[in-house]
Amino acid sequence: EPEVTQTPSHQVTQMGQEVILRCVPISNHLYFYWYRQILGQKVEFLVSFYNNEISEKSEIFDDQFSVERPDGSNFTLKIRSTKLEDSAMYFCASRPHRGRGNQPQHFGDGTRLSIL
Amino acid sequence: SQQGEEDPQALSIQEGENATMNCSYKTSINNLQWYRQNSGRGLVHLILIRSNEREKHSGRLRVTLDTSKKSSSLLITASRAADTASYFCATVRSNAGGTSYGKLTFGQGTILTVHP
Repeated sequence: EPEVTQTPSHQVTQMGQEVILRCVPISNHLYFYWYRQILGQKVEFLVSFYNNEISEKSEIFDDQFSVERPDGSNFTLKIRSTKLEDSAMYFCASRPHRGRGNQPQHFGDGTRLSIL
Repeated sequence: SQQGEEDPQALSIQEGENATMNCSYKTSINNLQWYRQNSGRGLVHLILIRSNEREKHSGRLRVTLDTSKKSSSLLITASRAADTASYFCATVRSNAGGTSYGKLTFGQGTILTVHP
C-alpha cells in the first residue's frame, strides 16, 4: 500500500538555524498538509497546500515557515530561524482530490525536531 | 474548552473487553474522523463519518455521531493487546461556500491500554 514518507526521522538543530523537513506524499494525491505535535499535546494544523499554493494556514504558520513542492514529488517545510518552542514532531499528510474533504488523510511517521 | 475534546484521557482495560471513547466538538462539521497513533509513530486513519450519518461500522470499530450534541463515540469491541495506542478524533469544519481543503482539527486524545 502506498505510504507517505518523511525524512529525516530525527533532526537536531541549533536555535537560530534553518531546517528543512522533507516529505514524499502518495503519488496521486493532490492535497498536502503539515501538522505538528508538541510532546504531550494535541496534533495542530500548520498549513494545507493545493494546486501549488497555500490554501489555508494557521496562526502558528508565521513568516518563519514556508512550504514548497519543488519537483512534483517532494513537499518540504522550511523553518527559517528555529526557536526552542519549534521542538515538536512534524507530520506530513496527503489526500486525494475528490470528496470535498470527505476523504481521510494519510500521514507519514513524522520528523522529530529537537532545537538546542 | 477546545474543538475535539476526548474523554476519558486514559482508559485501561483487559483483553476481550470493549473500549468506548468519546469526543466533543464545537463547530459545524463536514465530517469527523478517528485516528490511531502508536507510540512514536504517525497517525493511522481508522474511520470517517459524515455529518449526515449517525453510525458507521468497520470490523471491530463502531462510531456514532450526534450532531445535535456535537459529540461522537468510538467503540472497539473485543479489544486486543495490539489495540494499545492513543486514539484521536478530528473534525473537518463545514464551509458554507462548499470549499473544504480538509484541514483536520484534533482533540487531545485517549490513551488506551489493553492488558493481555
